Amino acid sequence: GAVVSQHPSWVICKSGTSVKIECRSLDFQATTMFWYRQFPKQSLMLMATSNEGSKATYEQGVEKDKFLINHASLTLSTLTVTSAHPEDSSFYICSARGLADSYNEQFFGPGTRLTVL
Amino acid sequence: DAKTTQPTSMDCAEGRAANLPCNHSTISGNEYVYWYRQIHSQGPQYIIHGLKNNETNEMASLIITEDRKSSTLILPHATLRDTAVYYCIVRPMIYNQGGKLIFGQGTELSVKP
Repeated sequence: GAVVSQHPSWVICKSGTSVKIECRSLDFQATTMFWYRQFPKQSLMLMATSNEGSKATYEQGVEKDKFLINHASLTLSTLTVTSAHPEDSSFYICSARGLADSYNEQFFGPGTRLTVL
Repeated sequence: DAKTTQPTSMDCAEGRAANLPCNHSTISGNEYVYWYRQIHSQGPQYIIHGLKNNETNEMASLIITEDRKSSTLILPHATLRDTAVYYCIVRPMIYNQGGKLIFGQGTELSVKP
């Protein structure tokens, strides 16, 4: 299957700082990327959908000015958590979907653990 | 998108078949049934998907009832590494219909020695 990577795998930051998480599709072109958030013992919650070259579509209740998403190329999307606070501590997971029939499925990255002190 | 209902948790003995049920009584004609699993602290892993016929791959088998209102994921010989949360999701297959994967609570499968 297709490979999606995330960087960093974990990050610890101070309250008030911004953190950028990268999501890359390694062996296919991802026209659509998705960002999810997962709190302990809970399911994945979809935050936003981004299509290459256009603005992201955010799910209801997700602050677009706080979670900045950029999908500038077919292999890279970034999520920036601006002015992070302890309540933003979570497991952030991206997934990618390509154009070709075999990659119409969503493939997930390994996740990024964010801890805000 | 149609909602799914899964048991919260299940146990299975190592080496035995694990049968994970899923109800999706409001599934639409153009919606496929997808199964993903998530091992602790990892990203979800695709397992299998189907429309109305039974499907099998190297990981599992998917049995969909004739009325498509329920399905069962079968892991034929469960191992300890199959311990994970299993998610059953329905979504349109057609690319331009969006087809976001919306996760429910899933079934926590514990494979025991």
